[in-house]
Amino acid sequence: SQQGEEDPQALSIQEGENATMNCSYKTSINNLQWYRQNSGRGLVHLILIRSNEREKHSGRLRVTLDTSKKSSSLLITASRAADTASYFCATDAQGGSEKLVFGKGTKLTVNP
Amino acid sequence: NAGVTQTPKFRVLKTGQSMTLLCAQDMNHEYMYWYRQDPGMGLRLIHYSVGEGTTAKGEVPDGYNVSRLKKQNFLLGLESAAPSQTSVYFCASSPLDPYYGYTFGSGTRLTVV
Repeated sequence: SQQGEEDPQALSIQEGENATMNCSYKTSINNLQWYRQNSGRGLVHLILIRSNEREKHSGRLRVTLDTSKKSSSLLITASRAADTASYFCATDAQGGSEKLVFGKGTKLTVNP
Repeated sequence: NAGVTQTPKFRVLKTGQSMTLLCAQDMNHEYMYWYRQDPGMGLRLIHYSVGEGTTAKGEVPDGYNVSRLKKQNFLLGLESAAPSQTSVYFCASSPLDPYYGYTFGSGTRLTVV
């Protein structure tokens, strides 16, 4: 069964705008990770946030985590056409960090 | 710096045929995984390994077998392919510290007719 669920399923924005994607999960976690997948390619790790962290930044990425609501958000600022991809959250809820469960993803389209 | 290499990249099988997908990593990672990705389903874990000589079942293990005889290789076998196994298969590896996340291969697109 899926642990993380992303929202929205699809998002279309203009270049330069910010993109926000949300992830909800069901059980306690050690950490939550975000990945990007370009069409026809494998997933690429973007960022990890631990359960005792509330916010984390990496370049144009900002991730927040609210363990009381069991939710996370990924914000991409000043988006570019190259950010067009699917974004997945993944959690380690099923017993340890060696086994991640992925959501179904948010498909982001950034229009030039 | 190859990372995770999957072979083959594409394959068409007839129902009932068998095949082995090979995954090789050169990062000395302890953990390795096989996922399948289907439209609208996200990634689902088939089998995984926490070290050489060990394997464990994931969410959707039926119809698949795996082996990890060497630390750098993780093989996924289909003994008798079925159309329901048409999918894109991804191998991934990770170190003991989860901080750096998983490294994924580029995938194998398998069609069973």
